[in-house]
This record gives sequence, C-alpha cells and structure tokens, in this order.
Amino acid sequence: AQSVSQHNHHVILSEAASLELGCNYSYGGTVNLFWYVQYPGQHLQLLLKYFSGDPLVKGIKGFEAEFIKSKFSFNLRKPSVQWSDTAEYFCAVNARGGYQKVTFGIGTKLQVIP
Amino acid sequence: KAGVTQTPRYLIKTRGQQVTLSCSPISGHRSVSWYQQTPGQGLQFLFEYFSETQRNKGNFPGRFSGRQFSNSRSEMNVSTLELGDSALYLCASGTGTSDNNEQFFGPGTRLTVL
Repeated sequence: AQSVSQHNHHVILSEAASLELGCNYSYGGTVNLFWYVQYPGQHLQLLLKYFSGDPLVKGIKGFEAEFIKSKFSFNLRKPSVQWSDTAEYFCAVNARGGYQKVTFGIGTKLQVIP
Repeated sequence: KAGVTQTPRYLIKTRGQQVTLSCSPISGHRSVSWYQQTPGQGLQFLFEYFSETQRNKGNFPGRFSGRQFSNSRSEMNVSTLELGDSALYLCASGTGTSDNNEQFFGPGTRLTVL
C-alpha cells in the first residue's frame, strides 16, 4: 500500500525567505504526485502535479516541485515566500495502473510572518 | 463550470444519531471520493465511487457508508455517531482515470458530534 510522509508539520518563515517542504512516498511502481494547498477558510486546491515527463514541475503562485525517483521524493519549493502563502500544504500520491486511491500526507502548516 | 458542492455546510448532531452528507461533483466527473479531515491526521480516505460502484475503500468502520447515483451525485452516511466522528468531511470529484487522478475538492461539511 502506498503512503506519504511530510516531514515538517509546522513551518514558520519570514517574508522573502525560501521555502522547501519535504514529501516522501512509499510505493515501488509508477506514481502520480500532487501538492494541494488549503488557504484559511478556503477549499483545498491543486498547487501542482506530476504525471510524467520533466521531473521539475512548476505550479501556480511561483511554486515548483522536483520528483526524484531514486529518493521517492517530491519536495515543494518557492524561492521567496509572501504573507499570502500562509496555508496548509498537502502532498498526495496515487499509484498508476489500476484505479488506486489518492493518499494524502498529514499536511504542513506554513506561517509566513510579515 | 460549477465546482464541487457539498450540503449541508455545517451539522451538529448528538452521539448515537445518524447523518447523511451530500456531494455534487463537477459536471462530467464520474469519480467521487470522500475524505475525513481532522487536525493532526490530515486527510483520511473514506471511499471512492465511480459510475455508481464503490471502487476503493479506506480503513473506516462499517458505520461509514456511501453511494453514488446515476447523475454522479454522491451521499455518505454515518450511523451511530461517536464523538470522534467530529471532523470536516470533504468530497472530491475527478475523471477517475488512472493516468489523471487530479481531485477537485468541495468546501466540506463540518460535522460536530456532541
């Protein structure tokens, strides 16, 4: 069964600092990978996704993530965070082939201090 | 396109009661998944329906059940409510294909069990 680990549960950064949120998954086969974001009081929405191709994926609002297959990782990065990035971020994975459920990580709460 | 809608948005019930939550997916989406979100637990997968059939099931007791109708609308039911069932219940819809499992989330139903 697939699983997802997010290493940082709560991150506090100052504006303009760089961000990297860790995500590791466990599954030996081919996967789809996602990062979702939940802003305070809003729906969960997709930040970026990886299905195949270029392992460096760019998403909305300047976020990017890199899929490193050998490390089973899909870390989220942003070079310079803004106060408006304060939110909870969820990494998710599902196995390709067959109709596998999407498994979410526990989430990382990011607080950006002005 | 209208997004995923969930009703009701808020519910207060007492222990032992049962509750039914409703989800209308994005038009054209045949897959509906349900998640339970609680602080510190992230999103726990309940079940997924595709074309009126339950395709995947999470590790929840039999008190949690669901169904999907021919128009892809879905309901989930929780019987004999327990205090621990208090959570945000999220519905997500998607195309349901294994090579593109992007989930589109609704606003959730906040269930409080007293």
